[in-house]
Amino acid sequence: NAGVMQNPRHLVRRRGQEARLRCSPMKGHSHVYWYRQLPEEGLKFMVYLQKENIIDESGMPKERFSAEFPKEGPSILRIQQVVRGDSAAYFCASSPRLEGGNYGYTFGSGTRLTVV
Amino acid sequence: GQQVMQIPQYQHVQEGEDFTTYCNSSTTLSNIQWYKQRPGGHPVFLIQLVKSGEVKKQKRLTFQFGEAKKNSSLHITATQTTDVGTYFCAVHYNTNAGKSTFGDGTTLTVKP
Repeated sequence: NAGVMQNPRHLVRRRGQEARLRCSPMKGHSHVYWYRQLPEEGLKFMVYLQKENIIDESGMPKERFSAEFPKEGPSILRIQQVVRGDSAAYFCASSPRLEGGNYGYTFGSGTRLTVV
Repeated sequence: GQQVMQIPQYQHVQEGEDFTTYCNSSTTLSNIQWYKQRPGGHPVFLIQLVKSGEVKKQKRLTFQFGEAKKNSSLHITATQTTDVGTYFCAVHYNTNAGKSTFGDGTTLTVKP
């Protein structure tokens, strides 16, 4: 049973290019979360999605960032016109369906984005 | 806004010494989770605490949830070099809040 799969592991983009980060949740998990981690810092919430729905995007920058989790295929975090400040590790996590409780996340290995 | 404070930020210990990290919230929590992230790795779920005053153990790790459900601690007895990493608490303010709010973590280094 594969865990949370993220790709690519490393991504280098020039300023102004687009970055697409992909995440396939663990089998049986219907909730996907994206977090950003700057070097030597904690995990900052970006967005929470279920299939075809954005549940909470309160942590997402208003411009250049978007996320989706289509009916078929992985969740995508898209960053348009990247800037140096976007360089970070982006982690995706998944959890099972909520049934009156919260569950621990299973994290992917992350995508390390470097903007040059 | 709702924040969770984690202290200390860094802890350096000699192998064999004990280690404790604390997580504090100004708001009552629904539950709290703990994660470990090795250097260069990704966070790995350790445990979830739900009940007031709850104490759980995993080998040398002891997790506590405060009576008021506003604070928690993770204690490691007799640290080993394999314990190095950053320990994060992650909180939920209500049962149906999907997202976790993470503390800034405590980074543990262990000198052999």
